[in-house]
Amino acid sequence: EGQLVESGGGLVQPGGSLRLSCAASGFTFSSHAMNWVRQAPGKGLEWVSAITGSGGFTYYADSVKGRFTISRDNSKNTLYLQVNSLRAEDTAVYYCAKVAVGPSVGRDYFHYWGQGTLVTVSS
Amino acid sequence: EIVLTQSPGTLSLSPGERATLSCRASQSVSSYLAWYQQKPGQAPRLLIYGASSRATGIPDRFSGSGSGTDFTLTISRLEPEDFAVYYCQQYDSSPPYTFGQGTNLEIK
Repeated sequence: EGQLVESGGGLVQPGGSLRLSCAASGFTFSSHAMNWVRQAPGKGLEWVSAITGSGGFTYYADSVKGRFTISRDNSKNTLYLQVNSLRAEDTAVYYCAKVAVGPSVGRDYFHYWGQGTLVTVSS
Repeated sequence: EIVLTQSPGTLSLSPGERATLSCRASQSVSSYLAWYQQKPGQAPRLLIYGASSRATGIPDRFSGSGSGTDFTLTISRLEPEDFAVYYCQQYDSSPPYTFGQGTNLEIK
C-alpha cells in the first residue's frame, strides 16, 4: 500500500520559514496527486494544499495562500511544503496524504496518510 | 466552501453497543463523502469512501450511508479499539476539501 514519512518540522519564530518534506515509497508516486493537511493541537483537520501528479497544478487554502508553496520531485519520490511568514496559528501537525485514484486534484479522497511532523511557531 | 457539521460532538457508549454518527453538508456533495478514524497520537485512517464503500481492511461492523447532504457512519457493535475521534470529509466541490469538526466516541 505504500508509506509516507514526513520530516522538517520544528520550533520557529513568528515570521520564520521551514521546508517540510514527505518521502513516499511503495507506490508510483507520479501517478497520484498529493496533499498537505494540518491539525492544530487539540483541534480538527484542515486541508492546506494539493498538487497534481505532474506537479503542474497547485491549490491552496485561503489561510495559507501567498505564504506556503507546495512542490514535488518525482525523481526523488518526495513532496515538499515551503512554509514562510509563519504565524502562531500555523502551529500544527502537518500530514501529507496520498489520494486514492489518480494524478488529478479533484474528486478524490485521502487514501492514506503519513504520521505527521510538528511545526511550532513561538517566540 | 462546503461546511460539514458533525453530531453529536461527543458520544458516550459501552463496548457492544451500536454507534450512530451524523454528518450534514451545507450543500449537496452527492456521494463524495469519506469517513476517517483518528486515535490519539496517530494519523487519520480512511474507513469509508463514496459514502458507503469500506476501505481495504476495515471490519464490516463499520458501515456508511447517505447521499446529498445527510450521511451516517454506523458501528454495529463497538469494540474497545473503536473508541476514537471520527471525521467526515467531502471531496465533491474540491478543492478546498473540507472536514467536519469531529465526533469523539468515548467509553461510557
